[in-house]
Amino acid sequence: RKEVEQDPGPFNVPEGATVAFNCTYSNSASQSFFWYRQDCRKEPKLLMSVYSSGNEDGRFTAQLNRASQYISLLIRDSKLSDSATYLCVVTTDSNYQLIWGAGTKLIIKP
Amino acid sequence: GAGVSQSPSNKVTEKGKDVELRCDPISGHTALYWYRQSLGQGLEFLIYFQGNSAPDKSGLPSDRFSAERTGGSVSTLTIQRTQQEDSAVYLCASSSTGGGWAGNTIYFGEGSWLTVV
Repeated sequence: RKEVEQDPGPFNVPEGATVAFNCTYSNSASQSFFWYRQDCRKEPKLLMSVYSSGNEDGRFTAQLNRASQYISLLIRDSKLSDSATYLCVVTTDSNYQLIWGAGTKLIIKP
Repeated sequence: GAGVSQSPSNKVTEKGKDVELRCDPISGHTALYWYRQSLGQGLEFLIYFQGNSAPDKSGLPSDRFSAERTGGSVSTLTIQRTQQEDSAVYLCASSSTGGGWAGNTIYFGEGSWLTVV
């Protein structure tokens, strides 16, 4: 089993719809969680950190479920520009090691 | 500079040649990472630097790959006797401390696209 797993997709979603995807992790000692966005042939860029209480940034909501060991990303009112690959990253506290998921590809269709 | 800078942005080389890829991290960032990504694939960890030392070289795929960092800043990834399977984008990233806490954002450079022909 991979340490961090994501559904590779692609998720084909009509513009304006709500879409959500998860990322599961195997190390129960994991402490910090992030979502990164990667556009085609571009470098990954931080989308948002994931806090224990959950957090929201505009149309984006991130949640952490420690009991089931997954994080989620919800995108509301999706835009064409949301089309990208979404990578989750998990770290243990004070540990440099970043464990990356392979990414979920999202395609927003007009 | 304002961001992580990598050079060259694109490199086409003949099989068997050596290549050097350069990374200039964000000023003041002590942690530096090298990753490799083949088209359509996830990130493959290569090496991590904290300052000038490399506590984790476990991701280097073979002894043809080496990396160094001098002055706690610029890093060079060297691939000797390149093979076609080395073709990928090589991404460098830096962060302020390398610790795994929520405020320690990892910033990536735009990558060096390597094609071995």
